[in-house]
Amino acid sequence: GQQVMQIPQYQHVQEGEDFTTYCNSSTTLSNIQWYKQRPGGHPVFLIQLVKSGEVKKQKRLTFQFGEAKKNSSLHITATQTTDVGTYFCAGRRGSTLGRLYFGRGTQLTVWP
Amino acid sequence: DTAVSQTPKYLVTQMGNDKSIKCEQNLGHDTMYWYKQDSKKFLKIMFSYNNKELIINETVPNRFSPKSPDKAHLNLHINSLELGDSAVYFCASSQALQGQETQYFGPGTRLLVL
Repeated sequence: GQQVMQIPQYQHVQEGEDFTTYCNSSTTLSNIQWYKQRPGGHPVFLIQLVKSGEVKKQKRLTFQFGEAKKNSSLHITATQTTDVGTYFCAGRRGSTLGRLYFGRGTQLTVWP
Repeated sequence: DTAVSQTPKYLVTQMGNDKSIKCEQNLGHDTMYWYKQDSKKFLKIMFSYNNKELIINETVPNRFSPKSPDKAHLNLHINSLELGDSAVYFCASSQALQGQETQYFGPGTRLLVL
């Protein structure tokens, strides 16, 4: 079954509104990564979180890793049309050779 | 310089045919992957190779056979193609070293089975 749950599956926002996507795992993760896939493109790595409670920022993007290392979120402040795409979280359990469990992704549409 | 490349980019074929997709990475990584992405964007891992050895083999029909001739290449051969095989296939690579597990994806191969 699905190892990493991600919600919502779709999100439509007006440009300037905020956006958040959430990931949840039933088991503790060693780390979690976030990827962005533009329409027609391929997933591109955004960031990796490793430590419990870690928060990282990239301009308008804020990434959080939960204290129990079972959940994570990506928040975009004041969305722009360039933020359009599908955002995936991917959690890893155990060793570096372990597979990444990808969430189903959140498809973000931004209306100008 | 393309980090992870795949050929072909598009593949349109008839049901029952056999086809291959090739992947090459010039990043010096030791781990390579094949993913299948369906129309709803779900990314499903199929196979993973580390130093030419198969380490992940998800529940994939045995019509799909990966082959890694060396660390820089991972090819995917598909026998007796079916309509349900239509999808985008992504190759990816990473380095199995803590803190450097970023996966780099290729541009994808869009497979359409008619």
